[in-house]
Amino acid sequence: SQTIHQWPATLVQPVGSPLSLECTVEGTSNPNLYWYRQAAGRGLQLLFYSVGIGQISSEVPQNLSASRPQDRQFILSSKKLLLSDSGFYLCAWSYNEKLFFGSGTQLSVL
Amino acid sequence: AQRVTQPEKLLSVFKGAPVELKCNYSYSGSPELFWYVQYSRQRLQLLLRHISRESIKGFTADLNKGETSFHLKKPFAQEEDSAMYYCALIDRDDKIIFGKGTRLHILP
Repeated sequence: SQTIHQWPATLVQPVGSPLSLECTVEGTSNPNLYWYRQAAGRGLQLLFYSVGIGQISSEVPQNLSASRPQDRQFILSSKKLLLSDSGFYLCAWSYNEKLFFGSGTQLSVL
Repeated sequence: AQRVTQPEKLLSVFKGAPVELKCNYSYSGSPELFWYVQYSRQRLQLLLRHISRESIKGFTADLNKGETSFHLKKPFAQEEDSAMYYCALIDRDDKIIFGKGTRLHILP
């Protein structure tokens, strides 16, 4: 069966520090992968999505970037975090129109 | 541009009363629409999708192309229905676009 792993679960980082959140999927090949952010009062916002290795589409101009170095690995990064990057980040993959979510990372930038 | 609108941030309903969570969409073409739910301390999960015309946990949703709506309904609310509900649309590039969500609070 397919599973999705996302880590870490919580992260507290100072302003200006780098960020790397990792997401891996098991039990499937060539999934569509997504990074969402759930910010207070703003709901779920699509940040990046990828249909294959090295193929990343950015939905919102911002301080973040994404990479897909392997078929089932999706990484969310930042060189310098801003206070406004705080939020709950969700990785997801889709198959046959169904979207499956990771458990999320609560990021607090102080 | 594709857009999903959930006009209510918070909806409070008494137990046993009917529930309707509103969702309107903007999309050129035939949309694929979904409802996702996130219970407290649990992962976001799929509740239902319009293409399968199913009823999950007593909830139903009918696609109304004329009104561009996909409202989620349940005739009798239960306390365990309290959760965050997201309406979502999948576009022709297979991106899934969410509304901002509605928090459903069932009052005892």
